[in-house]
Amino acid sequence: GAVVSQHPSWVICKSGTSVKIECRSLDFQATTMFWYRQFPKQSLMLMATSNEGSKATYEQGVEKDKFLINHASLTLSTLTVTSAHPEDSSFYICSARGMETVQAEQYFGPGTRLTVT
Amino acid sequence: QKEVEQDPGPLSVPEGAIVSLNCTYSNSAFQYFMWYRQYSRKGPELLMYTYSSGNKEDGRFTAQVDKSSKYISLFIRDSQPSDSATYLCAPSQGSGDKLTFGTGTRLAVRP
Repeated sequence: GAVVSQHPSWVICKSGTSVKIECRSLDFQATTMFWYRQFPKQSLMLMATSNEGSKATYEQGVEKDKFLINHASLTLSTLTVTSAHPEDSSFYICSARGMETVQAEQYFGPGTRLTVT
Repeated sequence: QKEVEQDPGPLSVPEGAIVSLNCTYSNSAFQYFMWYRQYSRKGPELLMYTYSSGNKEDGRFTAQVDKSSKYISLFIRDSQPSDSATYLCAPSQGSGDKLTFGTGTRLAVRP
């Protein structure tokens, strides 16, 4: 149980284009989803928290107009990187927490590796 | 000072060794203490978590929290090559609050 998937697992895009990453909770309803970014050999940095049906809450320093987050259903959240630049190249990971899971637990997706050329 | 400090390693041990992984933190409001394991190019996998101070055991893994010294430990008994991964501690203030990750400790268990 508590499986989270992400799609795509990797993507290469050109500078200036937009990329959408999907995060799905497969066997539970995710009331809250989190989006993280991880640079090589560094830890996970929280970008934003999204609750189903509400606007996302962004961490300080994260541009909300650049990283668009939508959490329209209890099983799906999307992160859109708009006008991507090479410095946006990173490993993007989502996690989800649901009503059925123990409150403190977050379950992570496998991550999406974004390369902007 | 970072909120959560963790020795990045790498830590290399022979198979069967007892491994001790540690974190220190500065925020006294942290109440939940999670340990995640992350294999290369994969998302983190929740190993276990504890609430407040004390010990918790799950198979070969034992988590300890000492809130008085703001010190978190994860012990792995009878370590296996499959335990080779990066271990991340991630405390949070409340049960539904965001996690604050340490940098992770890379562990290599030699056959």
